[in-house]
Amino acid sequence: GEDVEQSLFLSVREGDSSVINCTYTDSSSTYLYWYKQEPGAGLQLLTYIFSNMDMKQDQRLTVLLNKKDKHLSLRIADTQTGDSAIYFCAESFGSSNTGKLIFGQGTTLQVKP
Amino acid sequence: DVKVTQSSRYLVKRTGEKVFLECVQDMDHENMFWYRQDPGLGLRLIYFSYDVKMKEKGDIPEGYSVSREKKERFSLILESASTNQTSMYLCASSLRAANQPQHFGDGTRLSIL
Repeated sequence: GEDVEQSLFLSVREGDSSVINCTYTDSSSTYLYWYKQEPGAGLQLLTYIFSNMDMKQDQRLTVLLNKKDKHLSLRIADTQTGDSAIYFCAESFGSSNTGKLIFGQGTTLQVKP
Repeated sequence: DVKVTQSSRYLVKRTGEKVFLECVQDMDHENMFWYRQDPGLGLRLIYFSYDVKMKEKGDIPEGYSVSREKKERFSLILESASTNQTSMYLCASSLRAANQPQHFGDGTRLSIL
């Protein structure tokens, strides 16, 4: 069935770039999403990419999509301590309008001063 | 901005109690979702609803039920709470169209003693 995989943990130093990776299985997904969860809070939509795009940039965030390999990445430039959080990638569940998303396990990003 | 409000941030209940978790959204979204979040497991879908009085089982519905009497409100019910239902519960909503992002509440951390 559909599955989304992420590594569980990433540690970087403040000012470095962070790259969080994700693989997915549903080739019919048309949108892929990145969410951020700060401690004790819900998920906040960070950005998304349409499947006919290879790249999307939004200020310090760059999303890269390799559709052939079903690989998605989120790059955060000049990582700050406020970027410490759990990051989830998610794929839309086929073309259904039920709105279901399939989420990865989440990657905990630790930013060291 | 979309606002999804969960009635409690923290809740402590006893084994065997009937527990109600409430969620309200203010953007006239058709779809609403209940997830539970556990470390290392990511988000797992319990139930979702795509219209008033409509509901569908997610991946882990056992031990839970839901109610959607009004469009803006989606309730999660633990019929007889057990200690393995101690978790973070997240509510989300989205428009009823393919590939719409979900918007999340801040979560309810539920402890069953």
